Amino acid sequence: GQQLNQSPQSMFIQEGEDVSMNCTSSSIFNTWLWYKQDPGEGPVLLIALYKAGELTSNGRLTAQFGITRKDSFLNISASIPSDVGIYFCAGLPFTGNQFYFGTGTSLTVIP
Amino acid sequence: EPEVTQTPSHQVTQMGQEVILRCVPISNHLYFYWYRQILGQKVEFLVSFYNNEISEKSEIFDDQFSVERPDGSNFTLKIRSTKLEDSAMYFCASRVWGSAGRSYNEQFFGPGTRLTVL
Repeated sequence: GQQLNQSPQSMFIQEGEDVSMNCTSSSIFNTWLWYKQDPGEGPVLLIALYKAGELTSNGRLTAQFGITRKDSFLNISASIPSDVGIYFCAGLPFTGNQFYFGTGTSLTVIP
Repeated sequence: EPEVTQTPSHQVTQMGQEVILRCVPISNHLYFYWYRQILGQKVEFLVSFYNNEISEKSEIFDDQFSVERPDGSNFTLKIRSTKLEDSAMYFCASRVWGSAGRSYNEQFFGPGTRLTVL
């Protein structure tokens, strides 16, 4: 199966700092999705990306679809305590219906 | 806002017993998924379902697993004879296709069912 490498694995930051994380793949994707998951809950969709080079924002979150179609980036500006959680990327290839998930980035925000 | 719902939220069963996990996808969605997540690990794909049949399945989805859409709203995952290693969170998700606009590949997850096999 296709492998998605997500980094960093974990981050500890001060409240107010900006955060960057990324996902890379060995294959190209049609769609990139970014999710946030709180403990014991289902992943919540944050941003969907469909075009290479596309930059999309959702409040303090900005995500980009890499030009090569093999990577995607998520940035969180001015982090707040409620940003704490695990962030997952997911990619959908051009053929098939299966999404491939990254290994997750655990974010801790220190007040 | 429409959402994916799942029942039960927590299921405890004895090893070897059958369990059925239930999901109600978002009503105008066409693709349905089951995922598994073992505590602290990433989300693992089990199966996708479209047009009343399995579209893709992973190696985890062996003969002990089956899915069904018994009516126009429910989507179920059955595990015939549970093993200890089946203990995990199970998430249902759904995706729309063909709608106007850019939302055609957005996949939404339910809140999950925590399965504990004793």
